[in-house]
Amino acid sequence: DSGVTQTPKHLITATGQRVTLRCSPRSGDLSVYWYQQSLDQGLQFLIQYYNGEERAKGNILERFSAQQFPDLHSELNLSSLELGDSALYFCASARTAGLGFTEAFFGQGTRLTVV
Amino acid sequence: QQPVQSPQAVILREGEDAVINCSSSKALYSVHWYRQKHGEAPVFLMILLKGGEQKGHEKISASFNEKKQQSSLYLTASQLSYSGTYFCGTEPGAQKLVFGQGTRLTINP
Repeated sequence: DSGVTQTPKHLITATGQRVTLRCSPRSGDLSVYWYQQSLDQGLQFLIQYYNGEERAKGNILERFSAQQFPDLHSELNLSSLELGDSALYFCASARTAGLGFTEAFFGQGTRLTVV
Repeated sequence: QQPVQSPQAVILREGEDAVINCSSSKALYSVHWYRQKHGEAPVFLMILLKGGEQKGHEKISASFNEKKQQSSLYLTASQLSYSGTYFCGTEPGAQKLVFGQGTRLTINP
């Protein structure tokens, strides 16, 4: 158990809908990273937050948005869902903003299926 | 900005050795290695830092060539439990951790 909690574990929804994925980082971790992993593909970086502020963005679609709340949990919002958004979404947390000296811990992921 | 890994896939017999390479077009300050088993979350293996400091796994080693912007992960006397997909991660500035496309390692008995 990495200490990072993601809910829900599975989500099935229809095209055009909106969903919210939640991530609770490990106690004491201030950074949260979001990744998308399509079937048998690599980990695509979406966005990073540190202590409530957005720190870095990857190839995140405009239909996707995220935020980190004062209690440090984070939410990833996906709207106008398309079939191609079906994937495993991971969040990871870390103590610091930069990872030069510490590792990231991954949650178990949320498997999103868009039908 | 994504690092490039090679090979894409490796199939070994138990007890054989493997090397997985990771290279970047950007200057590297650190390289991270993770392993992901099918259907599970990636798990941290090792960090290699500029200047040679290394933290990591007791049975897997790695090297980091800062000048060539490359890292290699060495798995010796592989065990069945080593099977999975290995990802290297780099931080190309702005504190984001980006991963290579992964190397799928299959260990057969």
